[in-house]
Amino acid sequence: DSGVTQTPKHLITATGQRVTLRCSPRSGDLSVYWYQQSLDQGLQFLIQYYNGEERAKGNILERFSAQQFPDLHSELNLSSLELGDSALYFCASSVVVPGDLQNTEAFFGQGTRLTVV
Amino acid sequence: TQLLEQSPQFLSIQEGENLTVYCNSSSVFSSLQWYRQEPGEGPVLLVTVVTGGEVKKLKRLTFQFGDARKDSSLHITAAQPGDTGLYLCAGALYGNNRLAFGKGNQVVVIP
Repeated sequence: DSGVTQTPKHLITATGQRVTLRCSPRSGDLSVYWYQQSLDQGLQFLIQYYNGEERAKGNILERFSAQQFPDLHSELNLSSLELGDSALYFCASSVVVPGDLQNTEAFFGQGTRLTVV
Repeated sequence: TQLLEQSPQFLSIQEGENLTVYCNSSSVFSSLQWYRQEPGEGPVLLVTVVTGGEVKKLKRLTFQFGDARKDSSLHITAAQPGDTGLYLCAGALYGNNRLAFGKGNQVVVIP
């Protein structure tokens, strides 16, 4: 058990809909990352939050947004869903402090499998 | 384009054999991690290498970080069926410490 909790584990929804994925990081971790994993693209970094603030953006579509709350849990919102958004979405957390080059290990949740039909 | 290229993409070997998989990039990383992922699960951290040329051993797994901190290898000695999984390398980029992942090496060890 990594200590990172993601809900729901599975989600099936129709095209055009909006969903929210939830992540609770490990106790004490201030950084939260969201990744999308598909068979052809592998693990793609979407976005990082540190202590409630956005720190880095990757290949995140404009239809997607995220936030990190004061209690450090995070939510990833996916809207106007398309068939191609079907993938595994992972949340990871770490103790990394921006500028700290030594503590970059990320601990992953079990993921949310999103299927858009 | 993928920042980290892993090869081979797929490898199937018999139990007891040795194998090596590679992770290469043209970028320099502050550190590099190897993860193993099993179907339906999240990646699990195996090791972090930080110093160029560093070698770390984890039981039958040997990890090496290239001298120039651009590449890494994972060697498994006497592979066991429990070693089956997707091995992902991830490099930490200078500046924001986010991880860039390769697509993985899918290893299958046949009993």
